[in-house]
Amino acid sequence: GESVGLHLPTLSVQEGDNSIINCAYSNSASDYFIWYKQESGKGPQFIIDIRSNMDKRQGQRVTVLLNKTVKHLSLQIAATQPGDSAVYFCAEIPPGGGFKTIFGAGTRLFVKA
Amino acid sequence: SQTIHQWPATLVQPVGSPLSLECTVEGTSNPNLYWYRQAAGRGLQLLFYSVGIGQISSEVPQNLSASRPQDRQFILSSKKLLLSDSGFYLCAWSVPGAGRFAEAFFGQGTRLTVV
Repeated sequence: GESVGLHLPTLSVQEGDNSIINCAYSNSASDYFIWYKQESGKGPQFIIDIRSNMDKRQGQRVTVLLNKTVKHLSLQIAATQPGDSAVYFCAEIPPGGGFKTIFGAGTRLFVKA
Repeated sequence: SQTIHQWPATLVQPVGSPLSLECTVEGTSNPNLYWYRQAAGRGLQLLFYSVGIGQISSEVPQNLSASRPQDRQFILSSKKLLLSDSGFYLCAWSVPGAGRFAEAFFGQGTRLTVV
């Protein structure tokens, strides 16, 4: 697979535990945020998004929390499974549009069986 | 349903050789198209984007170029590769007219190694 993630922060969790992945974004004007999951050798996949008029959004086993005061985003994965092992990164979209999306470097999640 | 195809998956090219990476999207019309490069331990870097046939915008000066000869085809090229062009290249598309509240859909990526 690709070598992305060689120097990324790593989170190791036990199967069945909850995972929390954090992201600090840079532009206080950004008002749309996306979490992506990237498995080894594959392209990123959309997980969940949130607009700045919300502070929490839930999906299936995933929850995104947004704290605009400190420009912080988190992704919570409930009952983490081995298939959740991947690199997770956040993306912030400022008013300039999707072309101005800023992607974080990501966090590598290891799930121990 | 929409799908995006990107090829080849891996490529090893000598310095000074040309490059052509191709990306096609199916199941949608007039998509916004993107080429990104992903370096180890770093976020995605936008190289080019396109809102229509023949309309290419470049985000960073580099040894690469992009073309959109057809509505759903996006090509990344170079006339002479440099060692620094090595990396993981991703093609992506997003829904046109959805504004910025739209996710990007990514291809599987191409691992390019320039030797």
